[in-house]
Amino acid sequence: AQKITQTQPGMFVQEKEAVTLDCTYDTSDQSYGLFWYKQPSSGEMIFLIYQGSYDEQNATEGRYSLNFQKARKSANLVISASQLGDSAMYFCAMRENSGYSTLTFGKGTMLLVSP
Amino acid sequence: SQTIHQWPATLVQPVGSPLSLECTVEGTSNPNLYWYRQAAGRGLQLLFYSVGIGQISSEVPQNLSASRPQDRQFILSSKKLLLSDSGFYLCAWSEGHQIETQYFGPGTRLLVL
Repeated sequence: AQKITQTQPGMFVQEKEAVTLDCTYDTSDQSYGLFWYKQPSSGEMIFLIYQGSYDEQNATEGRYSLNFQKARKSANLVISASQLGDSAMYFCAMRENSGYSTLTFGKGTMLLVSP
Repeated sequence: SQTIHQWPATLVQPVGSPLSLECTVEGTSNPNLYWYRQAAGRGLQLLFYSVGIGQISSEVPQNLSASRPQDRQFILSSKKLLLSDSGFYLCAWSEGHQIETQYFGPGTRLLVL
């Protein structure tokens, strides 16, 4: 079974609008971390935001926020006020406490921001 | 601040030739190091990780190998490349504690012909 599921292969949003990228995960660990990365066309993976399983508040980093719903095992990324430079692939990833130092990635969502 | 370098940036190699990709990290000591491969249009697959000099764990058996000759140097190698080795190879590092964030290098695009 997939540990990280990103059901949206592609998303379109207009500039200045907000967009939500979905991510669900599967783990039996009590302690784990959830990450979002951005991959522009240049290829580099850019870390955006992190949410720990014991964090009670949703993580926020500038225009990025993580909508963490632990009971539903979802960790959706919300980008507010989209910009043209936000066009990229976005990957959700999980690090389980029992998995030694390794990240499991989803297949990604391609976000296109139009003017 | 920490930086991570990879080279070469792009590589075109014939089938059956050897491979050596290098990754170095600056500004930190005793990092965890990782090699990932990303096939075109797909997610990342962890190939190897290392928690210290000379310590390598393999996630996927294949014709690739990894070595860590120095604390902040991680090398991905192959004796004979296959067509299926084509892809985008990313090196990453993290601090050596649990639930740490991984930071990625710029990557190497490998095309095997």
